[in-house]
Amino acid sequence: EIVLTQSPATLSLSPGERATLSCRASQSVSDYLAWYQQKPGQAPRLLIYDASNRATGIPARFSGSGSGTDFTLTISSLEPEDFAVYYCQQRSNWPLLTFGGGTKVEIK
Amino acid sequence: QVQLQESGPGLVRPSETLSLTCAVAGYSIRSDFYCDWIRQPPGKGPEWIGSVHHSGRTYYNPSLNSRVTISVDMSKNHFSLRLSSVTAADTAVYYCARHGANYYASGSYSYFDSWGQGTLVAVSS
Repeated sequence: EIVLTQSPATLSLSPGERATLSCRASQSVSDYLAWYQQKPGQAPRLLIYDASNRATGIPARFSGSGSGTDFTLTISSLEPEDFAVYYCQQRSNWPLLTFGGGTKVEIK
Repeated sequence: QVQLQESGPGLVRPSETLSLTCAVAGYSIRSDFYCDWIRQPPGKGPEWIGSVHHSGRTYYNPSLNSRVTISVDMSKNHFSLRLSSVTAADTAVYYCARHGANYYASGSYSYFDSWGQGTLVAVSS
């Protein structure tokens, strides 16, 4: 099983600041990695796929980078609606799909 | 517009079987997607339970393999989850979702691009 470790667990920032979230895989997943955003009471929403591609309708302030074992989700300037929990997920090891433990981006 | 909707009991007794159904609209289950079940215990990250393809291929998380059955009903355009011998550790929000079946394809559909709203299932006596 590929374990995805996200850091930090919580990120306290103010609107307008830059957010940098990390996801590290226990073995290479190539670029088969996605990022999701989840707000309370909602299902996760796909933001980034294949490490660096924005899904349909996702604002340009969201960007993803990395390959192999180290990945980053960057939110260039936090909007009020961006405060949420973010998860990474790999599909490299299909048919065993795994998620990270999440990073909560909270208002400072 | 793709829509998925879970339905089923919100309370299951310990040792019994959890059964949920996901109704699909906006696309055909006969298309080249896997139908997925994912769960999320309170305060934790999501956990993939398993997937079914209309061809009959099924894949399950090894941690649940012996207790899980996922099936598809193409006549009703829905798919189902059965989880047997439940305990309190199975209390979670259960989501249905989909992802593309071509492993080598590049695109958002290769990930969980559509989800149901989720349904909370509590295991308690």
